[in-house]
Amino acid sequence: KQEVTQIPAALSVPEGENLVLNCSFTDSAIYNLQWFRQDPGKGLTSLLLIQSSQREQTSGRLNASLDKSSGRSTLYIAASQPGDSATYLCAPWSNNDMRFGAGTRLTVKP
Amino acid sequence: NAGVTQTPKFQVLKTGQSMTLQCAQDMNHEYMSWYRQDPGMGLRLIHYSVGAGITDQGEVPNGYNVSRSTTEDFPLRLLSAAPSQTSVYFCASSSTRTPIKGDTQYFGPGTRLTVL
Repeated sequence: KQEVTQIPAALSVPEGENLVLNCSFTDSAIYNLQWFRQDPGKGLTSLLLIQSSQREQTSGRLNASLDKSSGRSTLYIAASQPGDSATYLCAPWSNNDMRFGAGTRLTVKP
Repeated sequence: NAGVTQTPKFQVLKTGQSMTLQCAQDMNHEYMSWYRQDPGMGLRLIHYSVGAGITDQGEVPNGYNVSRSTTEDFPLRLLSAAPSQTSVYFCASSSTRTPIKGDTQYFGPGTRLTVL
């Protein structure tokens, strides 16, 4: 059974900092991995999807990397802004199933 | 497009009561699913459907029933509510079950359920 861990559980940074969120998973036989954003009291929004054959995927200030063999993915956020404050969840797809991490709650202070 | 809508937003039940959480989507998506989210845990799949008339169990199906009579609607029924079912419930839809680039999974805003 796939186990997904996200560290740290919470992170607070000043505006403008570059930061990295970590995701690790136990079953490296994944088909792809997604990063989601969840705002308080709202549903999830898909940010990036990396196929298992890819090493990284970029969207604006976001860059997600994938190291399948070591069971790790990172989400890099450049020049963080207060509007980036949210919970970020990773979700690898494997064995015809998607499992979610518990998320990292990010606060970007003005 | 309204996307994925869920009703109610909040609900308080007593142990043993039954209720139905409603979910609807207007994007003609074949795949719909229900998740629950508990503090400190990731979302866990309860039930899913790959099309009208087809449903299957996810990771935590006990105590819940679903049906899919139309493409648009996918209600979740709690048969006899228990305190362990206190959670936030999310409905989601997408064109396919397997996530693929360009085929985003859309989530509803959630229903916060408390069982006393």
